[in-house]
Amino acid sequence: AQSVTQPDIHITVSEGASLELRCNYSYGATPYLFWYVQSPGQGLQLLLKYFSGDTLVQGIKGFEAEFKRSQSSFNLRKPSVHWSDAAEYFCAVGAGGSYIPTFGRGTSLIVHP
Amino acid sequence: NAGVTQTPKFRILKIGQSMTLQCAQDMNHNYMYWYRQDPGMGLKLIYYSVGAGITDKGEVPNGYNVSRSTTEDFPLRLELAAPSQTSVYFCASSYSDLGGYEQYFGPGTRLTVT
Repeated sequence: AQSVTQPDIHITVSEGASLELRCNYSYGATPYLFWYVQSPGQGLQLLLKYFSGDTLVQGIKGFEAEFKRSQSSFNLRKPSVHWSDAAEYFCAVGAGGSYIPTFGRGTSLIVHP
Repeated sequence: NAGVTQTPKFRILKIGQSMTLQCAQDMNHNYMYWYRQDPGMGLKLIYYSVGAGITDKGEVPNGYNVSRSTTEDFPLRLELAAPSQTSVYFCASSYSDLGGYEQYFGPGTRLTVT
């Protein structure tokens, strides 16, 4: 069975600073990987996904993530954070053919002006 | 498209009461899911469905029931509500193709059991 760890419960950055949110997974084969964002009082929205091909994935809102098989990681990055990026971020991992992803516990991003 | 819709947005139940959380999607997705979200705990899968007439238990199914009579609708039933069911409930849907199965989430139902 797959599992996913988001080591950071909270991350605080200043507006305009760069961001990296960590995600580590456990799965025997090549996984499906997702990052979702949840704004306060809202449902989750997909930022980006990886399932094959280029290991650097571009998403919406200026986010990108890189799949590193050797490190079992799929870290989310953004070069310059905006105040509107303050939200909860979830990493999820799925096995091919299962359609039941496993979610991490989430990382809360706080953005200081 | 409305996407995934959920009703109600908020509800307060007394212990022992029952209710149904409604979920509908208009994207013709075959997969649908119910999650609960508790602070700091991420999302826990309650039930899921791979198509009309087919449902299966997730990680935390006790105290809940589901049915899926149509592709569009996937209601979640709470019988004999307990304080431990106080949570935010999300419904989601996804499609199956070779490009990866991203999920589309509804806005959630915030339920309080007192």
